[in-house]
Amino acid sequence: DTAVSQTPKYLVTQMGNDKSIKCEQNLGHDTMYWYKQDSKKFLKIMFSYNNKELIINETVPNRFSPKSPDKAHLNLHINSLELGDSAVYFCASSQGVSGPYEQYFGPGTRLTVT
Amino acid sequence: EDKVVQSPLSLVVHEGDTVTLNCSYEVTNFRSLLWYKQEKKAPTFLFMLTSSGIEKKSGRLSSILDKKELFSILNITATQTGDSAVYLCAVEPSGTYKYIFGTGTRLKVLA
Repeated sequence: DTAVSQTPKYLVTQMGNDKSIKCEQNLGHDTMYWYKQDSKKFLKIMFSYNNKELIINETVPNRFSPKSPDKAHLNLHINSLELGDSAVYFCASSQGVSGPYEQYFGPGTRLTVT
Repeated sequence: EDKVVQSPLSLVVHEGDTVTLNCSYEVTNFRSLLWYKQEKKAPTFLFMLTSSGIEKKSGRLSSILDKKELFSILNITATQTGDSAVYLCAVEPSGTYKYIFGTGTRLKVLA
């Protein structure tokens, strides 16, 4: 029933490790996004895919690599984790890019790097 | 540089009060503006405002867009403790395919 789902919900790991977060949407949307939300609740877009094609790639360290195997899935892999990567990562989806369309958010993944 | 500024940063009111949250923006070629409510987890969608839809209302919540003065307001009447949340505003500049979020207004409604 969940429209946009993410796994895991919580991730605690040590500096230097590599980790992945997965996102799936069952809304039939064409476009998916990754956002980072810091401790002050500021949401900043990182990446966006439209029909498996990368359309937004903000100024993000190349340790972050998104992958979209199909338009219902968008994963985020992070290499060599750093303390500053600690945040909540939200996946979102929208009907497309030609809209405008509202975005629907997943429950978030709280990443803590120690 | 495109930016979205929300005010106030935080607000404490009592149940039954009416609140007005502000969102001002400076973007190149405005396309749309979204309002979200974020409690403990994911932001949940409230309204979309565009050039063709400058007023929206749903129950006790309403929002207007002033494209000339470059701002939007979110009104909540007869507030309830369940309205306590962070309210986020996001603006989409035309042709960018992305929304720029403001820093949010944290609303606390006391019983």
